[in-house]
Amino acid sequence: DAGVTQSPTHLIKTRGQQVTLRCSPKSGHDTVSWYQQALGQGPQFIFQYYEEEERQRGNFPDRFSGHQFPNYSSELNVNALLLGDSALYLCASSFGGAGGFNQPQHFGDGTRLSIL
Amino acid sequence: AQSVAQPEDQVNVAEGNPLTVKCTYSVSGNPYLFWYVQYPNRGLQFLLKYITGDNLVKGSYGFEAEFNKSQTSFHLKKPSALVSDSALYFCAVTPLRGSSASKIIFGSGTRLSIRP
Repeated sequence: DAGVTQSPTHLIKTRGQQVTLRCSPKSGHDTVSWYQQALGQGPQFIFQYYEEEERQRGNFPDRFSGHQFPNYSSELNVNALLLGDSALYLCASSFGGAGGFNQPQHFGDGTRLSIL
Repeated sequence: AQSVAQPEDQVNVAEGNPLTVKCTYSVSGNPYLFWYVQYPNRGLQFLLKYITGDNLVKGSYGFEAEFNKSQTSFHLKKPSALVSDSALYFCAVTPLRGSSASKIIFGSGTRLSIRP
């Protein structure tokens, strides 16, 4: 039973560029959430997708956008990259999205994004 | 503002001794509470959650957590620490339990180090 998979594992970009990160949820899960984890900090909630719609959003600018596909996989897009966007980006999946975060989340190992 | 605090950046314990990792929260209403663990270069793993009922919640790997509503705390405990418990631990809170409008807030993390 495959868990949450994220690609790529590492990525290096320069300021002003755009990036797309990908996530496949755990089998049977229908809800995907994205987080930004800066070095030495806890994960910061970016947004959550359920039924192909963004259901909740944290305090991130519109440069951060996403998408969920019919097979429940998801993408995170970041435009106009800034140095401060350097972080580990985590995807998490769960089942039963109608309840928000009431179910435990299963995390992928993340994508390490470095901005030069 | 709603927040989660993990007052100790690091906790050091000898193997075989009991351990406690502290978490306090400041949110409105009756939140769901979670503990997650993160090993180096990995995503977070779910340990346990509190929804309602018994204030002592049992979770994975022998961990348990004690919910105290009056002190708004949710401390993680284990009766006998193992070297393999050494990792980064995160407390998380969802302010609006069971609601699709809910978000999730993670603490800044506590590094647990178990010495042989």
